[in-house]
Amino acid sequence: GAVVSQHPSRVICKSGTSVKIECRSLDFQATTMFWYRQFPKQSLMLMATSNEGSKATYEQGVEKDKFLINHASLTLSTLTVTSAHPEDSSFYICSARRGRSQETQYFGPGTRLLVL
Amino acid sequence: EDQVTQSPEALRLQEGESSSLNCSYTVSGLRGLFWYRQDPGKGPEFLFTLYSAGEEKEKERLKATLTKKESFLHITAPKPEDSATYLCAVQGPPLTGANNLFFGTGTRLTVIP
Repeated sequence: GAVVSQHPSRVICKSGTSVKIECRSLDFQATTMFWYRQFPKQSLMLMATSNEGSKATYEQGVEKDKFLINHASLTLSTLTVTSAHPEDSSFYICSARRGRSQETQYFGPGTRLLVL
Repeated sequence: EDQVTQSPEALRLQEGESSSLNCSYTVSGLRGLFWYRQDPGKGPEFLFTLYSAGEEKEKERLKATLTKKESFLHITAPKPEDSATYLCAVQGPPLTGANNLFFGTGTRLTVIP
């Protein structure tokens, strides 16, 4: 199967600091990676789509200057939450897709962010 | 507007009591329907992909079916370890660089020993 990892699994930070979350596809090359946000007892909300070597595409209402996405290689995408505030506390999940023609997305284990 | 609706929102079953979860969708040009399992505090785990009406897939106690308007996830003789939230997602027509994957809100399944 396809394995996607995330690091860290959970992070607690002070308001105003920046937090970087890494998403790696361990056994396949991911042309496209996705970042989701999930609030308690709600489904996944897509934040942005990240294509290797190009700028990320953000969903409506997601601040690109606040949620910086870098997809530097076919196995790594990073999400940086800049100047985090308590309302940014959430469960962030990434997913990866093998190629443009392969539709199945494989998800990482998620990162729990708590901003104090 | 493309939509995915899952029912019921929550389901409690006795161990061994078979049942079905429903995923109704309205999407133009369906390219795939996906079922995932999500445990609390974890990312979704891929279960099945269905591409066309009439298709069925099975894995252990789970069987997924697809029609033109809905999909069912049948759970046969469930065990407590099957307790999780089951998410359905559909993929519409391809858009360059876009995700076009729509998730339902999930069915929270609890299997009681």
